[in-house]
Amino acid sequence: GESVGLHLPTLSVQEGDNSIINCAYSNSASDYFIWYKQESGKGPQFIIDIRSNMDKRQGQRVTVLLNKTVKHLSLQIAATQPGDSAVYFCAERLDSGYSTLTFGKGTMLLVSP
Amino acid sequence: GAGVSQSPSNKVTEKGKDVELRCDPISGHTALYWYRQRLGQGLEFLIYFQGNSAPDKSGLPSDRFSAERTGESVSTLTIQRTQQEDSAVYLCASSQNRVYEQYFGPGTRLTVT
Repeated sequence: GESVGLHLPTLSVQEGDNSIINCAYSNSASDYFIWYKQESGKGPQFIIDIRSNMDKRQGQRVTVLLNKTVKHLSLQIAATQPGDSAVYFCAERLDSGYSTLTFGKGTMLLVSP
Repeated sequence: GAGVSQSPSNKVTEKGKDVELRCDPISGHTALYWYRQRLGQGLEFLIYFQGNSAPDKSGLPSDRFSAERTGESVSTLTIQRTQQEDSAVYLCASSQNRVYEQYFGPGTRLTVT
């Protein structure tokens, strides 16, 4: 895939703002999507998932939206906190026959107090 | 119980040397994944183990890379004749046979000098 080199897309927000992180996925047949959060020096952590037969799913302070028409996924974080600062990855399962995930390149979220 | 653990946390090696990276999955997890993460980039799938089935090696970048897993426990990723482009964080994840419920370890940061 493409390389973005050393520079991840970065979203800078103020504490208390709502954040929206976007992801364009590759395969119209993908049936499952996940958002992961990766803090510095740690492995990715599961945040929220959504199946392709849904267009919205809500969790605690987070909402994932899926637009299959344009192959777009977004993660909304309400009332962003400094602890939300991390790199966020979307991942897709290419179809139900796959046992692996394909990860996007990530977006860095920086939250200022 | 404990999460996924990896060792060593950091490894510095000279170009041309072989390295072994270890992953201890969560007890009872039948599936185990290895990923590579270059600086500022997303996760690149390397290899997937599921129970006693033949591993999915489709992501291994060259024949210098190999991995083994003993039953449903420890896995070792071996890189022979390391090159500078092998420098990356190597992440391991395990799951209970559900691709979307992967639990990641903290990773091993490999630096090839």
